[in-house]
Amino acid sequence: ELKVEQNPLFLSMQEGKNYTIYCNYSTTSDRLYWYRQDPGKSLESLFVLLSNGAVKQEGRLMASLDTKARLSTLHITAAVHDLSATYFCAVVDSNYQLIWGAGTKLIIKP
Amino acid sequence: DVKVTQSSRYLVKRTGEKVFLECVQDMDHENMFWYRQDPGLGLRLIYFSYDVKMKEKGDIPEGYSVSREKKERFSLILESASTNQTSMYLCASSLLAGGYGYTFGSGTRLTVV
Repeated sequence: ELKVEQNPLFLSMQEGKNYTIYCNYSTTSDRLYWYRQDPGKSLESLFVLLSNGAVKQEGRLMASLDTKARLSTLHITAAVHDLSATYFCAVVDSNYQLIWGAGTKLIIKP
Repeated sequence: DVKVTQSSRYLVKRTGEKVFLECVQDMDHENMFWYRQDPGLGLRLIYFSYDVKMKEKGDIPEGYSVSREKKERFSLILESASTNQTSMYLCASSLLAGGYGYTFGSGTRLTVV
């Protein structure tokens, strides 16, 4: 059974700092997603990572995937307040369903 | 702009009531999903459907049922609501399976008292 572990679950940081969210998963998968959720809003897809060594970047967010380590990271560079949200990773299992991490609530203080 | 619409944003129901959560998508997607979202647990799949009148159990189907009579509409039914079903419920649809192109609704926050 595929399990997805995300950490930290809560992160409070200052604007301008860098930080990384980690997503570990327990069994082989060929696809990993990162989503963002703003309070009271729906989930928005950020990145899909398909292969070992894949790196995707948009603005101050960069996601990478190491399939051998079963690890994905979401790196935030020079954080700004607008990036405050909850971030989820989700991994596709052998039944083609998404298995979700618990989410990381990110608060960026001015 | 593609949309998944959940009929209620907030609901308060009494223990033992039968509860219907409605979800409609306008994208002609084959696949529709119901998740519940709880703090510290992420999203957990309740039921999904790959076609009209077709349904499959997800990871936590107990206490729930679903109905898909039309392609665009996927209903989640709590046969007899209980307090442990208090949660945020999210509907999603997609053209393909395996996570591709999922579009989520805004969610229904259900409180069972």
